[in-house]
Amino acid sequence: GAGVSQTPSNKVTEKGKYVELRCDPISGHTALYWYRQSLGQGPEFLIYFQGTGAADDSGLPNDRFFAVRPEGSVSTLKIQRTERGDSAVYLCASSTLTGGGTEAFFGQGTRLTVV
Amino acid sequence: GNSVTQMEGPVTLSEEAFLTINCTYTATGYPSLFWYVQYPGEGLQLLLKATKADDKGSNKGFEATYRKETTSFHLEKGSVQVSDSAVYFCALSDSNSGYALNFGKGTSLLVTP
Repeated sequence: GAGVSQTPSNKVTEKGKYVELRCDPISGHTALYWYRQSLGQGPEFLIYFQGTGAADDSGLPNDRFFAVRPEGSVSTLKIQRTERGDSAVYLCASSTLTGGGTEAFFGQGTRLTVV
Repeated sequence: GNSVTQMEGPVTLSEEAFLTINCTYTATGYPSLFWYVQYPGEGLQLLLKATKADDKGSNKGFEATYRKETTSFHLEKGSVQVSDSAVYFCALSDSNSGYALNFGKGTSLLVTP
């Protein structure tokens, strides 16, 4: 079946511009996570949705970052006034439910480059 | 807060060598522990997991045992193959963080013929 789909796969934007990154989770997965992975680092947690609501957004670095999941399926990560330090791979993951040991399925990521 | 520390790479081994990648963790609760793998050009995928102390996770010849007394979850494989070349990430999750994964920095493994 289809896995987690992220679009675009690559995005180059100018400093100060606004970008949207999309995540289409596996059908039926209620939990959705966004992570950011910088070069040579492990993924860092940004935000977690259970259904339509953001259950935990403690990983968002500042108020330029925002994410929505209006119908409990597709999610969009929005970054305003992009900075060069925002350059990274943004990963999305989904899972069936929250609980110890639940496997998260990851998308291929969106590589964002701010020039 | 929770954190994961894993040995730095890159690790270079000859085919059929024994592999150990060390991972230790700090957690306030009772986390589940994972190893994820990222093959070249592919997304992150779960390799194995353990949900409670003394559990052993295993998959594709890899093993890791959840050691609460040493707060460790070391990854081992008795005989690596060229196809095992990848980046390996140790991670934990617990209910305090909504089961979001907390990753180590990753260890790059290169297996040569």
